[in-house]
Amino acid sequence: NAGVTQTPKFQVLKTGQSMTLQCAQDMNHEYMSWYRQDPGMGLRLIHYSVGAGITDQGEVPNGYNVSRSTTEDFPLRLLSAAPSQTSVYFCASHEADRAFFGQGTRLTVV
Amino acid sequence: QQQVKQSPQSLIVQKGGIPIINCAYENTAFDYFPWYQQFPGKGPALLIAIRPDVSEKKEGRFTISFNKSAKQFSLHIMDSQPGDSATYFCAANTGKLIFGQGTTLQVKP
Repeated sequence: NAGVTQTPKFQVLKTGQSMTLQCAQDMNHEYMSWYRQDPGMGLRLIHYSVGAGITDQGEVPNGYNVSRSTTEDFPLRLLSAAPSQTSVYFCASHEADRAFFGQGTRLTVV
Repeated sequence: QQQVKQSPQSLIVQKGGIPIINCAYENTAFDYFPWYQQFPGKGPALLIAIRPDVSEKKEGRFTISFNKSAKQFSLHIMDSQPGDSATYFCAANTGKLIFGQGTTLQVKP
């Protein structure tokens, strides 16, 4: 039982490049979410999904896309990376009110 | 606009002290108030949580105090230890889990 697995752990992108942050969970949870963590800003909700085929926007959705084709996977896409997207990204899988977080992806956009 | 406001941003206490972290919220629809603990290089992990029909919850050395009328809640760590040094986040949930800004706690030996 691996819990929530995020890949990659580290990534450097050039401005304008695109990439997908992967997130997979093996707990059969319907609810999954993506957060970004920045100093002094805490964890801010980007997008979330209450089940396969259903996604919705969080507090800071601009510049990010998500899809949920399976219960297990919830990838986060950056279509055209900007320096403002430099951050640590966390994926979470939720059981009732409890969130289980992955180890995070540290993304730097230069 | 931050829906959950947390203070202080950082806190230093001596071993055995009682650090207190405060949070305030505006949305009365929030119905679940958890605290998460995060160690460097790791994801946050649930520490303790409370629902608004209860004014206090204690789990080991960690206590949440909840004031529904003031829309405030706080985390108290009794007999703090160096191993408690971490970043603490309050949060509030109503379908979406919204976090505060975080507090970095250092407990000196």
